[in-house]
Amino acid sequence: KNQVEQSPQSLIILEGKNCTLQCNYTVSPFSNLRWYKQDTGRGPVSLTIMTFSENTKSNGRYTATLDADTKQSSLHITASQLSDSASYICVVRSNTNAGKSTFGDGTTLTVKP
Amino acid sequence: EPEVTQTPSHQVTQMGQEVILRCVPISNHLYFYWYRQILGQKVEFLVSFYNNEISEKSEIFDDQFSVERPDGSNFTLKIRSTKLEDSAMYFCASSESGGLNTEAFFGQGTRLTVV
Repeated sequence: KNQVEQSPQSLIILEGKNCTLQCNYTVSPFSNLRWYKQDTGRGPVSLTIMTFSENTKSNGRYTATLDADTKQSSLHITASQLSDSASYICVVRSNTNAGKSTFGDGTTLTVKP
Repeated sequence: EPEVTQTPSHQVTQMGQEVILRCVPISNHLYFYWYRQILGQKVEFLVSFYNNEISEKSEIFDDQFSVERPDGSNFTLKIRSTKLEDSAMYFCASSESGGLNTEAFFGQGTRLTVV
């Protein structure tokens, strides 16, 4: 069964600090992995997409990594800001005709001043 | 910047009533989706829609659910006879194409409360 597991479930950090969120998946065959940011009460917004051949990709203060062999991804946030407080969701898409996406439960990040 | 818009932002309905959730996808997008998120749980795929027909649906999308593109701009989700467990945030999304790497853009969601 295709699954996406994220850790930690929640995280509290101080403003300015860095943090790393983890995503492990069993989706097969793999097409891509996307990290979304979801502010409370809003729709998810894509931060970055990782395909099979990509190991690292940055989007501003966000850096995603992918290890397709171990089926792990991470999202590193540098110099956190209060506005980074949100749920971060890992979504893995299958490389099939239907291209079904499997969502993780998300990591709730709280950045405190 | 173009965005997916959903109305209403919050809908309260009595159990057994029909409800229609409305979405206006981004204008040049061809693929449309509905997702739901029960409070405190993960986002779940409901249905995808292309060329005026359902292209894929999940096991959640049973006979109580239907989707329609009644005109050139709106995309609706109808729940025929709402149940308490239908209470959730419903997100509409759209994408330019059905390519696996194509980004789907989400609306702000409609919070449905069934009482």
